Amino acid sequence: DTAVSQTPKYLVTQMGNDKSIKCEQNLGHDTMYWYKQDSKKFLKIMFSYNNKELIINETVPNRFSPKSPDKAHLNLHINSLELGDSAVYFCASSSTATREEAFFGQGTRLTVV
Amino acid sequence: GQSLEQPSEVTAVEGAIVQINCTYQTSGFYGLSWYQQHDGGAPTFLSYNALDGLEETGRFSSFLSRSDSYGYLLLQELQMKDSASYFCAAGSGGYQKVTFGTGTKLQVIP
Repeated sequence: DTAVSQTPKYLVTQMGNDKSIKCEQNLGHDTMYWYKQDSKKFLKIMFSYNNKELIINETVPNRFSPKSPDKAHLNLHINSLELGDSAVYFCASSSTATREEAFFGQGTRLTVV
Repeated sequence: GQSLEQPSEVTAVEGAIVQINCTYQTSGFYGLSWYQQHDGGAPTFLSYNALDGLEETGRFSSFLSRSDSYGYLLLQELQMKDSASYFCAAGSGGYQKVTFGTGTKLQVIP
């Protein structure tokens, strides 16, 4: 059983399109995150949700809109994609008691052409 | 702002010991975690320090000095499979926010 799963694994799309990435965790965690990893491997937090509530939004353009329908899911919708959005996006989760240990999904490699 | 600095690359010989350093500047610092990431893979958790001192987990150990805003990851008996990128990550705000370091690419050579 995959603990944190994201779909799709690869996404190639044209500039200006809208796309979504889905994330689900079966660990019973109450905190979920979205991270962006650029071509230089810098890993930067974008959003953090706790019990479906947004707690961290790291100055991400409002073209990015996360949605958490329940504690086990945190989806990321991106409007009007730009070339600079090309990156690997990781979903992760942790429990409130052990937030220092996050479990990551396998990543979604987004390429905007 | 929050920042964590690491050496960009380290090369070490199989069987040897290597230390990867991390210096941080974070407000509301809570603790330091370490993650390993193989090329094309996801980061995986290795170790965590909330208090000063050394934490040992098998071949991997991690150290923290809060007064120096410094930590390191120590890998012993290096194996080829240890070739990967290693990231320190600082938690703040009760660990609600996690800031990752710049990452260190470790190459293990025969």
